[in-house]
Amino acid sequence: EDQVTQSPEALRLQEGESSSLNCSYTVSGLRGLFWYRQDPGKGPEFLFTLYSAGEEKEKERLKATLTKKESFLHITAPKPEDSATYLCAVSYQTGANNLFFGTGTRLTVIP
Amino acid sequence: NAGVTQTPKFQVLKTGQSMTLQCAQDMNHEYMSWYRQDPGMGLRLIHYSVGAGITDQGEVPNGYNVSRSTTEDFPLRLLSAAPSQTSVYFCASSYLDMGFYEQYFGPGTRLTVT
Repeated sequence: EDQVTQSPEALRLQEGESSSLNCSYTVSGLRGLFWYRQDPGKGPEFLFTLYSAGEEKEKERLKATLTKKESFLHITAPKPEDSATYLCAVSYQTGANNLFFGTGTRLTVIP
Repeated sequence: NAGVTQTPKFQVLKTGQSMTLQCAQDMNHEYMSWYRQDPGMGLRLIHYSVGAGITDQGEVPNGYNVSRSTTEDFPLRLLSAAPSQTSVYFCASSYLDMGFYEQYFGPGTRLTVT
């Protein structure tokens, strides 16, 4: 069964304490893996797309990597404003841009 | 550029009532979709469209109807609301070129069915 699993469910970090979020997937024919950030009461906000194993992308304190079975979102020296839920999604359907989402990791960065 | 807009932001319905959730985008995106988000579950695809006049079912389509008469608009209709449809609904859109383009999400509609 196609599946996207994110871990941990929740993560509390001190400001400046680096860590990684994991997204593992078991879909066949991956066309792209997406990372989104979601703040409470808001819609998901796009962060990264990764297309092939070995690919890496960076944006400020965030870096996303992709292997054949999982993706990591590395957060370096986080700040309180990085607190949010981070969602992972995969696209695997030809002809449409449908996304299959994981349940997310809720990150809290404590000052 | 307003991006993806959704109305209303909040709605309370009684069981059996019908209503339409509105979604519009001003980015000339071919692809539009509706997701629902429930606690402890990932966003789940309800219906999607790859262009005006073309719609298809997603993962959880039962109880919902859609139509796409223009590129800009993609309304979601609840025919007879049930408490199980209490959720937060998000509309999203993207270009559709090899299916690789990021989706832009609206701010969501929080629906409660009593």
